[in-house]
Amino acid sequence: DGGITQSPKYLFRKEGQNVTLSCEQNLNHDAMYWYRQDPGQGLRLIYYSQIVNDFQKGDIAEGYSVSREKKESFPLTVTSAQKNPTAFYLCASGQDSNQPQHFGDGTRLSIL
Amino acid sequence: QKEVEQDPGPLSVPEGAIVSLNCTYSNSAFQYFMWYRQYSRKGPELLMYTYSSGNKEDGRFTAQVDKSSKYISLFIRDSQPSDSATYLCAMGGSARQLTFGSGTQLTVLP
Repeated sequence: DGGITQSPKYLFRKEGQNVTLSCEQNLNHDAMYWYRQDPGQGLRLIYYSQIVNDFQKGDIAEGYSVSREKKESFPLTVTSAQKNPTAFYLCASGQDSNQPQHFGDGTRLSIL
Repeated sequence: QKEVEQDPGPLSVPEGAIVSLNCTYSNSAFQYFMWYRQYSRKGPELLMYTYSSGNKEDGRFTAQVDKSSKYISLFIRDSQPSDSATYLCAMGGSARQLTFGSGTQLTVLP
């Protein structure tokens, strides 16, 4: 079954800790995206990658980092510099920037 | 002003009603339009994708685009309780990313 897998489903972060959210796709899509979703604010783009070993900042990249070493994988690290990390994080992929994006089922990050 | 405006609702309708969900936009560069459905604690799933003005129908769902008025709509006929979800519009153009509306929360009452 083709799709996007995000893990873990729930994640808790302690003060000063970096945490990494996993995103894997087997759709053979070139482009991958990370969004943050807060109530009433829709989806805000954190980072995106059009191709392996290349990525660009989105609208709210501060306090986050990504890597794209493999086509299938686009992990997101929420660093201690992100002061308000509690949110629902969604990963998406698309054939290219002009095609619809397909989403995983998200990771809910909370602060301990 | 946001590039994409979407009424957040919440919207409650009785089962069997016709539902109309709408988004307006200000960026003339938007050329293609999508509607996503998102159930609670799940990722959005693509419902409709269109890149031209006019109507596109898929089962009980009809997407309508009016580029001259910068207005898109999603109609749901014979609405069911299982249609209860948040509906997100999304738009793309020359930029390498989509712009999403904030979502409309819909409840269909049995």
